[in-house]
Amino acid sequence: ELKVEQNPLFLSMQEGKNYTIYCNYSTTSDRLYWYRQDPGKSLESLFVLLSNGAVKQEGRLMASLDTKARLSTLHITAAVHDLSATYFCAVEGGGADGLTFGKGTHLIIQP
Amino acid sequence: DADVTQTPRNRITKTGKRIMLECSQTKGHDRMYWYRQDPGLGLRLIYYSFDVKDINKGEISDGYSVSRQAQAKFSLSLESAIPNQTALYFCATSDFGVPGSGTGELFFGEGSRLTVL
Repeated sequence: ELKVEQNPLFLSMQEGKNYTIYCNYSTTSDRLYWYRQDPGKSLESLFVLLSNGAVKQEGRLMASLDTKARLSTLHITAAVHDLSATYFCAVEGGGADGLTFGKGTHLIIQP
Repeated sequence: DADVTQTPRNRITKTGKRIMLECSQTKGHDRMYWYRQDPGLGLRLIYYSFDVKDINKGEISDGYSVSRQAQAKFSLSLESAIPNQTALYFCATSDFGVPGSGTGELFFGEGSRLTVL
């Protein structure tokens, strides 16, 4: 059974600081996805990582994938309040089709 | 208009009632999914469908059924709703298999918030 673990699950940080969210998964997979969810809203796709060593960047967010370590990171640089949201990683695989999601990281960025 | 549309967006019902959540999409994707979101638990897969003749159970299918009426329509039913089915439900499509662009990414509807009293 595929398990996807994110940490931390809750993070409060100050504007201007850097931080990293980690996503570990338990079985082999070459595809990993990051989503953002604002309160009461749907999930918005942030990054699609399709191979070992993949790195994607958008603004202050950068995601990477190490399939050998079964680890993806979402790095936040010089955080701003608008990045406050819940971030989910999701992995393809695990028997059933569809993606298996982590529990999400609830990120609060304070001025 | 949204590419993936869910109705109703909010529904309050009573224990034992039958409820249907509907999903339609204009993305032309073959693969469609129903997920459930509970606070602190992330999203869990209920059912998925590769086409109108292919329906598959996900991680938490007990108490739910689905119908794929057409490529664009995928409905989720609760035959006899119970309070622990109170949750936010998401329909999604996948571009997996789309020539030249399919990445397996999921595209979500806006969600249907269901409360069972």
